[in-house]
Amino acid sequence: EAQVTQNPRYLITVTGKKLTVTCSQNMNHEYMSWYRQDPGLGLRQIYYSMNVEVTDKGDVPEGYKVSRKEKRNFPLILESPSPNQTSLYFCASSWSLNEKLFFGSGTQLSVL
Amino acid sequence: DQQVKQNSPSLSVQEGRISILNCDYTNSMFDYFLWYKKYPAEGPTFLISISSIKDKNEDGRFTVFLNKSAKHLSLHIVPSQPGDSAVYFCAAKGRGGGSQGNLIFGKGTKLSVKP
Repeated sequence: EAQVTQNPRYLITVTGKKLTVTCSQNMNHEYMSWYRQDPGLGLRQIYYSMNVEVTDKGDVPEGYKVSRKEKRNFPLILESPSPNQTSLYFCASSWSLNEKLFFGSGTQLSVL
Repeated sequence: DQQVKQNSPSLSVQEGRISILNCDYTNSMFDYFLWYKKYPAEGPTFLISISSIKDKNEDGRFTVFLNKSAKHLSLHIVPSQPGDSAVYFCAAKGRGGGSQGNLIFGKGTKLSVKP
């Protein structure tokens, strides 16, 4: 089954403790992206990747890092999480920039 | 600066009636528009799209209309069903590669269809 898999689904952590949210897709998509969803703000793009080893900032990249060492994986790294990063995170992928996005089920992160 | 605006945070409709969700955009470089539907505890899923060369696209009960001069698009759901209750996101993208081609999402409209 074609899918985008994020882990974990839920995560509670404390300020400053490094964490990684994993994202994997099995559709051989070149384009991958991370979004955060906050009440009243909709979906905002954090980082995106056009292909392996090609990443770029989205609209709200501060406090986040990403890597794209393999085509299928696009982890989101929070080196020093802060409470304002409490949010619902979505990973998405597509064949290319011009194709529709497939989204993962989301990761609800709470930073205390 | 919000480039894609969904000014109605919520909409309530009776089952069987038409649901109309609206979306406005400010960037004249946008040339492709999409609607995504999101249920609680799930990721958004693609619903329907329209290219700027068209003014209407239909898929079953779902129709998207594009008015380029007004920079406005709308999603019509006819007839509405309780299973359509979800948050609907409007999204737009521009021509070219890089960040210009990335999808820009609106804030979403929560649709409730009452039996």
